Amino acid sequence: NAGVTQTPKFQVLKTGQSMTLQCAQDMNHNSMYWYRQDPGMGLRLIYYSASEGTTDKGEVPNGYNVSRLNKREFSLRLESAAPSQTSVYFCASSEALQAGVGNQPQHFGDGTRLSIL
Amino acid sequence: AQKITQTQPGMFVQEKEAVTLDCTYDTSDPSYGLFWYKQPSSGEMIFLIYQGSYDQQNATEGRYSLNFQKARKSANLVISASQLGDSAMYFCAMRGFTGFQKLVFGTGTRLLVSP
Repeated sequence: NAGVTQTPKFQVLKTGQSMTLQCAQDMNHNSMYWYRQDPGMGLRLIYYSASEGTTDKGEVPNGYNVSRLNKREFSLRLESAAPSQTSVYFCASSEALQAGVGNQPQHFGDGTRLSIL
Repeated sequence: AQKITQTQPGMFVQEKEAVTLDCTYDTSDPSYGLFWYKQPSSGEMIFLIYQGSYDQQNATEGRYSLNFQKARKSANLVISASQLGDSAMYFCAMRGFTGFQKLVFGTGTRLLVSP
């Protein structure tokens, strides 16, 4: 019962370094998401992919890029890490992000704790 | 734009008691869905319960139920017979059904269950 798998679980970077967070889901979901969670701010959407081959910006996309490699995998890249990107990052997936359909819950990975010094 | 407000930063409850976690929302969408997630100290996000804006009945899922008051724009989570394992952060979230709308989260409520 893997669900959504994120790697790595923990990472420490220096300012200016680059890194890619990996995410894979085995539920045959069409839509995938990247969030960041900061204290007192809940979860904020960084990027999402409604379906394979598409990606769109969320609420806080600056400083990040994403790649929907295939239906299963959705990666998040920090090109030049900054201390403000210290956060817990969650990947999630759902059956489909469609107009008029909203009852599918998103299933989350366990998160990646990223610290940037 | 949609907004979720959770006004209780922390709540305390004794084991076996019921507790209500508040959630109010704001949206101009005529139809929408409301979700509750649990985040234990281990960090994962666990889906608990869903309520659609046009559902005739309040959602229930085991010990979880949703007190949905559409006119008041509130979707409070009720946990009955609290257990120590219920200690966690709880997030309310919503998604409008118009267009490709994303899930919007509240800031969460930390629940502590004492013996």
